[in-house]
Amino acid sequence: QKEVEQDPGPLSVPEGAIVSLNCTYSNSAFQYFMWYRQYSRKGPELLMYTYSSGNKEDGRFTAQVDKSSKYISLFIRDSQPSDSATYLCATPNLGNTPLVFGKGTRLSVIA
Amino acid sequence: KAGVTQTPRYLIKTRGQQVTLSCSPISGHRSVSWYQQTPGQGLQFLFEYFSETQRNKGNFPGRFSGRQFSNSRSEMNVSTLELGDSALYLCASSLEGVEGQPQHFGDGTRLSIL
Repeated sequence: QKEVEQDPGPLSVPEGAIVSLNCTYSNSAFQYFMWYRQYSRKGPELLMYTYSSGNKEDGRFTAQVDKSSKYISLFIRDSQPSDSATYLCATPNLGNTPLVFGKGTRLSVIA
Repeated sequence: KAGVTQTPRYLIKTRGQQVTLSCSPISGHRSVSWYQQTPGQGLQFLFEYFSETQRNKGNFPGRFSGRQFSNSRSEMNVSTLELGDSALYLCASSLEGVEGQPQHFGDGTRLSIL
């Protein structure tokens, strides 16, 4: 089982929709979780950073961690065409790898 | 505050050659990590440097090496290039690279092997 699993999509939604992006992880000891956004021909940009369980909100973005089910989510409200990108979930491995990433979900928001 | 800077942005090499990629971290950041990104494997960790010492290493062959200078700038070298080394190579920096400190990425060097 991979340490972090993420549905690669692609996911296509109309402008204004609520988007839900999800990842599962295998190690219950993971504590920190990140969401990165990557535009084409660019590096990953840190979007959200959460510790342990609960929700964290930043503008139109909400990150949610459910440690009981080892599930992390990113919600995007009022999605815009500028949100079209690949979204990557990540967590620091407890071993010798600073970050372990999901494969990324490609999102397209259609105007 | 300037972000992570990687040079060059694009490189084209042939099999058997070697290549050196450069990374300047965010000012004040002392940890630099390198990742390889491919469509099939996603982002995979290569190695991490802190205070000029390799602190962590991923599962890549010895052809991949790196170093860090006293100003925290880092270089990555790949020798005897293979077609499969074609990828986006990303550098990320954080304050000290400990758990809980986020990593910030540069825009990468896209390496194409002919």
